[in-house]
Amino acid sequence: QQQVKQSPQSLIVQKGGISIINCAYENTAFDYFPWYQQFPGKGPALLIAIRPDVSEKKEGRFTISFNKSAKQFSLHIMDSQPGDSATYFCAANYQAGTALIFGKGTTLSVSS
Amino acid sequence: NAGVTQTPKFQVLKTGQSMTLQCAQDMNHEYMSWYRQDPGMGLRLIHYSVGAGITDQGEVPNGYNVSRSTTEDFPLRLLSAAPSQTSVYFCASSYNLHEQYFGPGTRLTVT
Repeated sequence: QQQVKQSPQSLIVQKGGISIINCAYENTAFDYFPWYQQFPGKGPALLIAIRPDVSEKKEGRFTISFNKSAKQFSLHIMDSQPGDSATYFCAANYQAGTALIFGKGTTLSVSS
Repeated sequence: NAGVTQTPKFQVLKTGQSMTLQCAQDMNHEYMSWYRQDPGMGLRLIHYSVGAGITDQGEVPNGYNVSRSTTEDFPLRLLSAAPSQTSVYFCASSYNLHEQYFGPGTRLTVT
């Protein structure tokens, strides 16, 4: 049973455009929703995270939008740059539960 | 701080062989986890530990064993390697099971 569903699987965006990656979750006990960024040959690294008491969190060009009633959250990358080309994973868990449950990932390519 | 270190970086095994993937962290984190990453499958949790002496199974634990005798180390043992265990393995540590710090990974091929 996949608890976190991520889409799209791959995404191509022009330099300067907006990249949008979506995730949906099933377990209403989840209380932490991070996004991880992974470059080829490297381990994933935390990019930005949100808790369900806020609807949006912004850090530089990266924004998480959170919709608790729809059980969805998304990552928006503004002014996308070639250096943003990487695989992005959404994830979720809750404090009393297991380690993070990850989505299947989105490969982003930003063309110059 | 070295963060999370993993050895080896690459390994080739024959079917039926056993081996141990090493993971160490120097951040005094209580929580440590093992994930495997396969194309199109994302990161799947194998085993995790909430402290020395305490381990639990994740989503895909079959064929793997773990133990946690110290806070710093969390080795992953493959008992009898199978081609289905060909994957990239990541170890991660965390102070609260939320924000996880990943190691550089071990790429394992089983022939």
